[in-house]
Order: sequence, then structure tokens, then C-alpha cells
Amino acid sequence: DTEVTQTPKHLVMGMTNKKSLKCEQHMGHRAMYWYKQKAKKPPELMFVYSYEKLSINESVPSRFSPECPNSSLLNLHLHALQPEDSALYLCASSQTQGETQYFGPGTRLLVL
Amino acid sequence: GNSVTQMEGPVTLSEEAFLTINCTYTATGYPSLFWYVQYPGEGLQLLLKATKADDKGSNKGFEATYRKETTSFHLEKGSVQVSDSAVYFCALSDENGGSQGNLIFGKGTKLSVKP
Repeated sequence: DTEVTQTPKHLVMGMTNKKSLKCEQHMGHRAMYWYKQKAKKPPELMFVYSYEKLSINESVPSRFSPECPNSSLLNLHLHALQPEDSALYLCASSQTQGETQYFGPGTRLLVL
Repeated sequence: GNSVTQMEGPVTLSEEAFLTINCTYTATGYPSLFWYVQYPGEGLQLLLKATKADDKGSNKGFEATYRKETTSFHLEKGSVQVSDSAVYFCALSDENGGSQGNLIFGKGTKLSVKP
């Protein structure tokens, strides 16, 4: 089983809203990732968690706040986003950092 | 630094045609190489991978061979179907290349297969 699940599938939010994206895997993977993908572009790495600790933050604005409550869950808290933050947000996991990554279906976010 | 270069798309083929999508890479270490596929409106799916020189990855009729001498990992399929229409991303992971083993993606190649 190589399934990574993400909720919600779609999200529309205003610039003053607070929302959260959720990601879950039950493969026993110890590394989890958040990516942002704009239309017709490859995914861009945002954050990496390794053994539930933040390993990489690719200089992402503070309006994006990741959280890893346990080894199976990864959240992305959103606050005061801008319209240019509208994108597909992808979660991925791997056995450990640097190994083969498996992606979820993504959350399509629209910021109005 | 590490990088991946893919052929520009879009690529349009008729059903049952032969497919090649070129991918070359630059890496300082010994990377693992991947092809991911993204169907419309979906996330990325791992299509195939190879972890060392001369390895051949294969899945669903797609193949790619890790060629160290030409730093290439071209994707091929002998007979494409309409259902293969998607965007294909070549990627590398190189733990010793300064990117901490994270994926470096090519720009993606959109494939459209016509009936």
C-alpha cells in the first residue's frame, strides 16, 4: 500500500480566513513533505519533516505554518493568504528523507 | 548544482504510436532517477525509478534506462493509449549533491494521445 490521503480535495478561502490542510499516511514513513504546484509547473518544495521534526523550510512565508502531530499526520495551517497562493498543494511521504516519495492527490486551493 | 532537463512539450501522438520523452540530468553524486506522471486534476504518481547506472525501470509498458555515460533517463513506451495522456515529470534525488536527497524536478512534458 502506497497511499497518501489529503483533505479537503478543494478549498476556497478569503484572505482573512484561517484554514488547515491535512495529510495522512499509514506506511510507516518517517519523512513527510509539503509542495506547492502552480499550473503547468513542477511541484515546489515548501517543508520537509523528518522523524516529526522540521528538517527543511524553503523560505516559505509565515502565513503557511506546518505541523506534524505524529508520524502519520502532517498539517498545513493557512492564515491571511494572498490570491497568488492559489495552487495545488501536494503532500508526499517517504521511508526516510531522500528515499522514494509517494504523493497524495492534492488539495486545490483558491484564495479570493 | 543538481538539475534535470526534459524535452519541451506538448507532445501529441496518435494511439499506438511510439513514445520517447527525453530527460538528461546534472548531478554531483550518484542520484536515483524517477519518472512521475500527473493525470489531469490529480496528484503525482510514481511511474518508475532506477537507483544505479544501467538499471532499467519499467511499469505499465513504460521503460527508462539509467545511462550514466550520457547522464540520461529517457522515458519510452512502444504503443501509447489515449489513457496515457498526462504530464510526465523526470526527477532526481541525490543525497550527496547538496539537496539533502530531496527531489529535483524537470519542467514536465505534456503528452496528448489522440484516438
